[in-house]
Amino acid sequence: DQQVKQNSPSLSVQEGRISILNCDYTNSMFDYFLWYKKYPAEGPTFLISISSIKDKNEDGRFTVFLNKSAKHLSLHIVPSQPGDSAVYFCAASGADSSYKLIFGSGTRLLVRP
Amino acid sequence: DAGVIQSPRHEVTEMGQEVTLRCKPISGHNSLFWYRQTMMRGLELLIYFNNNVPIDDSGMPEDRFSAKMPNASFSTLKIQPSEPRDSAVYFCASSQGAGELFFGEGSRLTVL
Repeated sequence: DQQVKQNSPSLSVQEGRISILNCDYTNSMFDYFLWYKKYPAEGPTFLISISSIKDKNEDGRFTVFLNKSAKHLSLHIVPSQPGDSAVYFCAASGADSSYKLIFGSGTRLLVRP
Repeated sequence: DAGVIQSPRHEVTEMGQEVTLRCKPISGHNSLFWYRQTMMRGLELLIYFNNNVPIDDSGMPEDRFSAKMPNASFSTLKIQPSEPRDSAVYFCASSQGAGELFFGEGSRLTVL
Protein backbone atom coordinates (compact mmCIF):
# COMPACT_ATOMS: atom_id res chain seq x y z
CA ASP A 1 0.00 0.00 0.00
CA GLN A 2 1.75 3.12 -1.24
CA GLN A 3 1.52 6.03 1.16
CA VAL A 4 3.01 8.47 -1.35
CA LYS A 5 1.73 8.32 -4.89
CA GLN A 6 2.88 9.94 -8.08
CA ASN A 7 0.25 8.91 -10.56
CA SER A 8 1.91 10.36 -13.64
CA PRO A 9 4.92 8.28 -14.64
CA SER A 10 5.98 10.84 -17.23
CA LEU A 11 5.45 14.42 -18.31
CA SER A 12 6.62 16.29 -21.39
CA VAL A 13 6.66 20.10 -21.64
CA GLN A 14 8.07 22.71 -23.97
CA GLU A 15 11.08 24.73 -22.86
CA GLY A 16 9.98 27.98 -21.24
CA ARG A 17 6.58 26.65 -20.19
CA ILE A 18 5.50 25.57 -16.73
CA SER A 19 6.03 22.01 -15.50
CA ILE A 20 3.64 20.80 -12.81
CA LEU A 21 4.42 17.56 -11.04
CA ASN A 22 1.84 16.15 -8.66
CA CYS A 23 1.99 13.98 -5.59
CA ASP A 24 -0.70 12.56 -3.29
CA TYR A 25 -0.30 11.03 0.13
CA THR A 26 -2.53 9.02 2.41
CA ASN A 27 -0.92 9.30 5.84
CA SER A 28 -2.25 12.31 7.74
CA MET A 29 0.70 12.02 10.14
CA PHE A 30 3.13 13.21 7.47
CA ASP A 31 4.34 16.69 8.33
CA TYR A 32 7.34 17.26 6.10
CA PHE A 33 7.50 16.89 2.34
CA LEU A 34 10.41 16.95 -0.07
CA TRP A 35 11.15 16.74 -3.75
CA TYR A 36 14.24 14.99 -5.03
CA LYS A 37 15.59 15.09 -8.57
CA LYS A 38 17.42 12.22 -10.20
CA TYR A 39 19.50 12.17 -13.36
CA PRO A 40 20.38 8.84 -15.05
CA ALA A 41 23.21 6.92 -13.40
CA GLU A 42 23.21 9.31 -10.44
CA GLY A 43 21.65 9.23 -7.02
CA PRO A 44 18.68 11.45 -6.16
CA THR A 45 19.54 14.96 -5.00
CA PHE A 46 17.46 17.19 -2.76
CA LEU A 47 15.56 19.92 -4.56
CA ILE A 48 13.06 21.63 -2.27
CA SER A 49 10.98 20.90 0.81
CA ILE A 50 7.96 22.17 2.69
CA SER A 51 6.72 21.81 6.23
CA SER A 52 3.08 21.12 6.93
CA ILE A 53 2.73 24.49 8.66
CA LYS A 54 3.17 26.18 5.29
CA ASP A 55 1.26 25.91 2.05
CA LYS A 56 3.92 27.25 -0.29
CA ASN A 57 7.68 27.34 -0.51
CA GLU A 58 9.59 28.97 -3.32
CA ASP A 59 13.21 28.66 -4.41
CA GLY A 60 14.05 30.35 -7.67
CA ARG A 61 12.24 28.62 -10.51
CA PHE A 62 10.92 25.92 -8.17
CA THR A 63 7.80 26.25 -6.03
CA VAL A 64 6.15 23.55 -3.95
CA PHE A 65 2.50 23.86 -2.97
CA LEU A 66 0.90 21.87 -0.19
CA ASN A 67 -2.84 21.27 0.19
CA LYS A 68 -3.23 19.44 3.48
CA SER A 69 -6.96 18.98 3.27
CA ALA A 70 -6.57 17.24 -0.07
CA LYS A 71 -3.35 15.49 0.98
CA HIS A 72 -1.79 16.77 -2.20
CA LEU A 73 1.37 18.57 -3.11
CA SER A 74 2.76 19.80 -6.36
CA LEU A 75 6.05 21.05 -7.73
CA HIS A 76 5.98 23.89 -10.23
CA ILE A 77 8.97 24.66 -12.40
CA VAL A 78 8.81 27.98 -14.22
CA PRO A 79 10.26 28.45 -16.75
CA SER A 80 11.19 24.87 -17.57
CA GLN A 81 14.63 24.28 -19.05
CA PRO A 82 16.03 21.24 -20.91
CA GLY A 83 18.43 20.68 -17.99
CA ASP A 84 15.40 20.06 -15.79
CA SER A 85 14.77 16.80 -17.64
CA ALA A 86 15.08 14.15 -14.94
CA VAL A 87 13.04 11.89 -12.69
CA TYR A 88 11.39 13.74 -9.81
CA PHE A 89 10.56 11.94 -6.59
CA CYS A 90 8.13 13.19 -4.00
CA ALA A 91 8.89 12.13 -0.42
CA ALA A 92 7.25 12.54 2.97
CA SER A 93 8.06 11.97 6.60
CA GLY A 94 6.14 12.14 9.86
CA ALA A 95 6.85 13.52 13.30
CA ASP A 96 6.72 9.99 14.68
CA SER A 97 9.63 8.90 12.48
CA SER A 98 11.26 11.97 11.01
CA TYR A 99 14.20 9.96 9.66
CA LYS A 100 12.00 7.75 7.52
CA LEU A 101 11.39 9.25 4.10
CA ILE A 102 8.64 7.54 2.15
CA PHE A 103 9.15 8.08 -1.56
CA GLY A 104 6.75 8.03 -4.46
CA SER A 105 7.50 6.06 -7.60
CA GLY A 106 8.74 9.11 -9.49
CA THR A 107 7.72 11.17 -12.51
CA ARG A 108 10.00 11.42 -15.52
CA LEU A 109 10.04 14.99 -16.83
CA LEU A 110 11.17 15.74 -20.35
CA VAL A 111 11.62 19.38 -21.30
CA ARG A 112 11.70 19.73 -25.08
CA PRO A 113 13.92 22.47 -26.56
CA ASP B 1 34.16 16.92 -0.66
CA ALA B 2 33.60 13.23 -1.30
CA GLY B 3 29.97 12.25 -1.34
CA VAL B 4 28.48 8.89 -0.48
CA ILE B 5 30.54 6.22 -2.20
CA GLN B 6 29.02 2.94 -3.28
CA SER B 7 30.54 -0.13 -4.85
CA PRO B 8 30.19 -1.91 -7.12
CA ARG B 9 28.37 0.38 -9.57
CA HIS B 10 27.16 -2.62 -11.52
CA GLU B 11 26.87 -6.25 -10.54
CA VAL B 12 25.63 -9.11 -12.69
CA THR B 13 25.33 -12.45 -10.97
CA GLU B 14 23.51 -15.73 -11.24
CA MET B 15 20.62 -16.80 -9.11
CA GLY B 16 21.76 -18.36 -5.87
CA GLN B 17 24.98 -16.41 -5.61
CA GLU B 18 25.84 -14.15 -2.71
CA VAL B 19 25.88 -10.42 -3.42
CA THR B 20 27.58 -7.82 -1.23
CA LEU B 21 27.04 -4.12 -1.79
CA ARG B 22 29.23 -1.59 -0.03
CA CYS B 23 28.78 1.97 1.13
CA LYS B 24 30.98 4.67 2.59
CA PRO B 25 28.85 7.49 4.01
CA ILE B 26 29.86 11.13 4.14
CA SER B 27 32.29 11.74 6.98
CA GLY B 28 30.54 13.15 10.03
CA HIS B 29 27.10 11.87 9.08
CA ASN B 30 25.56 9.72 11.79
CA SER B 31 22.61 8.28 9.86
CA LEU B 32 22.85 5.77 7.04
CA PHE B 33 20.09 4.38 4.88
CA TRP B 34 19.81 1.63 2.28
CA TYR B 35 17.12 2.13 -0.36
CA ARG B 36 16.05 -0.03 -3.29
CA GLN B 37 14.67 1.43 -6.50
CA THR B 38 12.43 -0.56 -8.82
CA MET B 39 10.15 0.53 -11.64
CA MET B 40 7.06 -0.69 -9.87
CA ARG B 41 7.68 0.54 -6.34
CA GLY B 42 10.03 3.47 -6.72
CA LEU B 43 12.42 4.07 -3.82
CA GLU B 44 11.85 1.79 -0.83
CA LEU B 45 13.66 2.14 2.48
CA LEU B 46 15.27 -1.16 3.41
CA ILE B 47 17.13 -0.31 6.62
CA TYR B 48 18.19 2.69 8.66
CA PHE B 49 21.24 2.94 10.95
CA ASN B 50 21.85 5.65 13.49
CA ASN B 51 25.32 5.86 15.07
CA ASN B 52 26.09 2.44 13.52
CA VAL B 53 23.10 0.80 15.19
CA PRO B 54 20.22 -0.61 13.10
CA ILE B 55 17.12 1.32 14.13
CA ASP B 56 14.55 0.26 11.57
CA ASP B 57 14.89 -2.81 9.37
CA SER B 58 11.20 -3.24 8.68
CA GLY B 59 11.79 -2.69 4.97
CA MET B 60 14.20 -5.58 4.57
CA PRO B 61 12.31 -7.95 2.26
CA GLU B 62 13.19 -11.26 3.87
CA ASP B 63 15.88 -13.19 5.66
CA ARG B 64 17.97 -13.38 2.52
CA PHE B 65 18.80 -9.71 3.06
CA SER B 66 21.15 -8.54 5.81
CA ALA B 67 22.95 -5.29 6.49
CA LYS B 68 25.79 -4.35 8.78
CA MET B 69 27.54 -1.19 9.83
CA PRO B 70 30.71 -2.19 11.69
CA ASN B 71 31.91 1.41 11.98
CA ALA B 72 30.91 4.96 11.11
CA SER B 73 32.54 4.87 7.70
CA PHE B 74 31.36 1.60 6.23
CA SER B 75 28.22 -0.41 5.65
CA THR B 76 27.33 -3.51 3.67
CA LEU B 77 24.11 -4.90 2.29
CA LYS B 78 24.23 -8.60 1.62
CA ILE B 79 21.82 -10.80 -0.32
CA GLN B 80 22.24 -14.54 0.09
CA PRO B 81 21.04 -16.35 -1.93
CA SER B 82 20.16 -13.83 -4.63
CA GLU B 83 17.08 -14.21 -6.82
CA PRO B 84 16.08 -12.58 -10.14
CA ARG B 85 13.42 -10.48 -8.36
CA ASP B 86 16.21 -8.80 -6.38
CA SER B 87 17.34 -7.05 -9.56
CA ALA B 88 17.15 -3.34 -8.85
CA VAL B 89 19.26 -0.29 -8.14
CA TYR B 90 20.35 -0.15 -4.52
CA PHE B 91 21.11 3.26 -3.07
CA CYS B 92 22.95 4.13 0.07
CA ALA B 93 22.30 7.53 1.63
CA SER B 94 23.60 9.36 4.66
CA SER B 95 22.56 12.36 6.69
CA GLN B 96 23.43 14.31 9.80
CA GLY B 97 20.54 13.73 12.16
CA ALA B 98 17.19 14.42 10.54
CA GLY B 99 18.78 16.59 7.88
CA GLU B 100 18.89 16.29 4.13
CA LEU B 101 19.64 12.86 2.69
CA PHE B 102 22.69 12.60 0.45
CA PHE B 103 22.55 9.65 -1.91
CA GLY B 104 25.31 7.66 -3.53
CA GLU B 105 25.26 6.91 -7.24
CA GLY B 106 23.72 3.50 -6.65
CA SER B 107 24.62 -0.11 -7.33
CA ARG B 108 22.72 -1.67 -10.21
CA LEU B 109 22.18 -5.35 -9.50
CA THR B 110 21.12 -7.85 -12.13
CA VAL B 111 20.42 -11.40 -11.03
CA LEU B 112 20.09 -13.82 -13.93
